[in-house]
Amino acid sequence: EPEVTQTPSHQVTQMGQEVILRCVPISNHLYFYWYRQILGQKVEFLVSFYNNEISEKSEIFDDQFSVERPDGSNFTLKIRSTKLEDSAMYFCASSASSSYNEQFFGPGTRLTVL
Amino acid sequence: ILNVEQSPQSLHVQEGDSTNFTCSFPSSNFYALHWYRWETAKSPEALFVMTLNGDEKKKGRISATLNTKEGYSYLYIKGSQPEDSATYLCASPLYSGGGADGLTFGKGTHLIIQP
Repeated sequence: EPEVTQTPSHQVTQMGQEVILRCVPISNHLYFYWYRQILGQKVEFLVSFYNNEISEKSEIFDDQFSVERPDGSNFTLKIRSTKLEDSAMYFCASSASSSYNEQFFGPGTRLTVL
Repeated sequence: ILNVEQSPQSLHVQEGDSTNFTCSFPSSNFYALHWYRWETAKSPEALFVMTLNGDEKKKGRISATLNTKEGYSYLYIKGSQPEDSATYLCASPLYSGGGADGLTFGKGTHLIIQP
């Protein structure tokens, strides 16, 4: 069964460093998403991506964040200068169509900023 | 911005018993309601996507109902088994419109099935 994959599973970085989180969505899906969950809090939407551009973004997704689909398979989230409060589990998801369709989630990348 | 609430926050149920829990959401500008099952150390797994008032969906022993007029959905589990232990999340899109709508999640109901 096709699944969303994410690498790395765990990333530790120093405050101020850049990190890139990688995702491979399900191959025939058209919509891609990033979410995060800070420990003990709700899962929060960051950004959605469709047709090679950002479709929506939340207030969390400020200028420090960017997303890219560099080729036909990968979808990346870059944090330019990490802060302590960026420590969270980051989930990538994809869906075949709009909000009528279920989103398939990857296993997540745990980001720890020291 | 939507506020999605779930209750109870956690629930202990004896194996074999049936249970249910609630998701509430603003009834105005409703678009869709998603239920996910999230086991520890795994990815959230979609259970249902519901869109119409009065919708009722079923997958094995798990079913869900939707009331968009009053803004709530119930998830039911019949004859709970230990493998049902998980966190159950509900979520709704931030914006209606059919695009790549990000989901607003509730905090989840953490269900523990006791043998």
